[in-house]
Amino acid sequence: DAGITQSPRYKITETGRQVTLMCHQTWSHSYMFWYRQDLGHGLRLIYYSAAADITDKGEVPDGYVVSRSKTENFPLTLESATRSQTSVYFCASSDRPHNSPLHFGNGTRLTVT
Amino acid sequence: AQKITQTQPGMFVQEKEAVTLDCTYDTSDPSYGLFWYKQPSSGEMIFLIYQGSYDQQNATEGRYSLNFQKARKSANLVISASQLGDSAMYFCAMREPLRGSTLGRLYFGRGTQLTVWP
Repeated sequence: DAGITQSPRYKITETGRQVTLMCHQTWSHSYMFWYRQDLGHGLRLIYYSAAADITDKGEVPDGYVVSRSKTENFPLTLESATRSQTSVYFCASSDRPHNSPLHFGNGTRLTVT
Repeated sequence: AQKITQTQPGMFVQEKEAVTLDCTYDTSDPSYGLFWYKQPSSGEMIFLIYQGSYDQQNATEGRYSLNFQKARKSANLVISASQLGDSAMYFCAMREPLRGSTLGRLYFGRGTQLTVWP
């Protein structure tokens, strides 16, 4: 199906473990984003990417790593998970740099115990 | 400083009535885009409506309209004829053009929880 998909939908992991959240889009959008959503903070930008091999930090990048070797994939890795990284993570994509909406995946609910 | 301010944490409206959700924004750039998203309890983010800063007319999409007052920097969402399925969290967002490291990111407000009652 066309669109943007995230996997897994739910993940429970332990403190200190490495976790990778996957994001795949079929539109060939150039721009991709990772947000986290927390009560009281709304949605905050973690990392974004303008094209394959071009990524940059957002508001809250510490503890996360991204890569974008192919246009359609934008995985987010938590190098050593902490309890403060318990959150809902959204991946989004856009076809233009501005004045076009971001299209969001369904989110990944991550719990770090 | 907050780029997007939504001052109503919660709003209640009766079915079939209209409701306005407030949003103000802060930018010094003349070119920007304003967006509203809906997040139902199932969690997905659904794009509702877009307004460009140079658009002369207010945007409309079905029962949704955006009351854009540029001088006041406000972009309120109006939902006409509310339905029970409109109960959700609503986010206002702004996107600025590429500027060095900002890369057209979307800034979100904290959201307004709308409850529609029968």
